[in-house]
Amino acid sequence: NAGVTQTPKFQVLKTGQSMTLQCAQDMNHNSMYWYRQDPGMGLRLIYYSASEGTTDKGEVPNGYNVSRLNKREFSLRLESAAPSQTSVYFCASSENRGGEGYTFGSGTRLTVV
Amino acid sequence: GENVEQHPSTLSVQEGDSAVIKCTYSDSASNYFPWYKQELGKRPQLIIDIRSNVGEKKDQRIAVTLNKTAKHFSLHITETQPEDSAVYFCAAIEGGGSYIPTFGRGTSLIVHP
Repeated sequence: NAGVTQTPKFQVLKTGQSMTLQCAQDMNHNSMYWYRQDPGMGLRLIYYSASEGTTDKGEVPNGYNVSRLNKREFSLRLESAAPSQTSVYFCASSENRGGEGYTFGSGTRLTVV
Repeated sequence: GENVEQHPSTLSVQEGDSAVIKCTYSDSASNYFPWYKQELGKRPQLIIDIRSNVGEKKDQRIAVTLNKTAKHFSLHITETQPEDSAVYFCAAIEGGGSYIPTFGRGTSLIVHP
């Protein structure tokens, strides 16, 4: 039982490059989330998926897209990376929308140069 | 939407002292309040939570109190140890609305040996 698995752990991109962050959970959770964490800003929600087949914008969605591929997987895509997207990205999942049993992945440290 | 304020941003204590971190929330519909601990370079992990029908909850050296009238909740750590050093995040979840957690900006707790 791995919980929430994120790949890659580290990534350096050049401005304008694209990439996809992968997230998978094996807890049969319905809801999945993508956050970014910046110093002094806490955890800010980018996008979430309350259930398979649905996605919604969070607090800071600009510059990102998401795909809920199936119940297990929720990916985050940067189409044209910008230095402002340098951050640590966390995927999370929970059994339902109420946030109980919130489990985070180990994070992806992304640097855009 | 919900707004969560967390204070202080940094807290420095001597080993064995108590530490208190406070959060206020704005939406009276919020009914679930988890606390997360994030050690350096690691993922946030749930350490304790409380529901709005409970005023206090304890788990060994940590406790959380909730004042619904004043819309604030606090994390109390007694007999602090160096391994308690981490960033702590509070969150509030609006049960009657989006069900998405809103996080505070975090408190960096430093416990000096």
